[in-house]
Amino acid sequence: EAGVAQSPRYKIIEKRQSVAFWCNPISGHATLYWYQQILGQGPKLLIQFQNNGVVDDSQLPKDRFSAERLKGVDSTLKIQPAKLEDSAVYLCASPRGAGGITGELFFGEGSRLTVL
Amino acid sequence: KQEVTQIPAALSVPEGENLVLNCSFTDSAIYNLQWFRQDPGKGLTSLLLIQSSQREQTSGRLNASLDKSSGRSTLYIAASQPGDSATYLCAVFGNQFYFGTGTSLTVIP
Repeated sequence: EAGVAQSPRYKIIEKRQSVAFWCNPISGHATLYWYQQILGQGPKLLIQFQNNGVVDDSQLPKDRFSAERLKGVDSTLKIQPAKLEDSAVYLCASPRGAGGITGELFFGEGSRLTVL
Repeated sequence: KQEVTQIPAALSVPEGENLVLNCSFTDSAIYNLQWFRQDPGKGLTSLLLIQSSQREQTSGRLNASLDKSSGRSTLYIAASQPGDSATYLCAVFGNQFYFGTGTSLTVIP
């Protein structure tokens, strides 16, 4: 089966600019996660989708971050305006298993953002 | 709130050694625990998944154990190789996935 696809792999922007990341999870996986990983730390959950609905966005900085998954397949994460502290790797993941929640979690290669 | 701790934060061993990485978690109400490998600049690659009803899982030179009641898991790597150099993260799933900060492993040729 194809893995989780993410793009772009790298992005460098100036602070206050905007950026968008795209993710296509493994086919048939209803649940999709976006994580932020700062260097030296574990992934931090930003948002969880179940099909095209938001399950958990409690840690998403909603004043600048937004995400959507309109057709329950691929998803876009946007940051506008970006701050220096947003420099991180943005990871998309989808789990396999009964109900699409409790199974093995698969990650994409990530999108590395540098804000100057 | 679930907290996941990995000790040590970094480990350096000579090639050929057997080694153990540790993962501890504070809430034993989990459905599964997963070990990942992360190479620099890359995403996380799944190594082993242990369901809460299982005690261990094996894949090649890797063996992971789970003691849910004590909140501990170990990842055993046999006959380490330079290619094993990476950061190893564990994650537990309860109502969501909680990650440790990882152990950075360097295997010296």
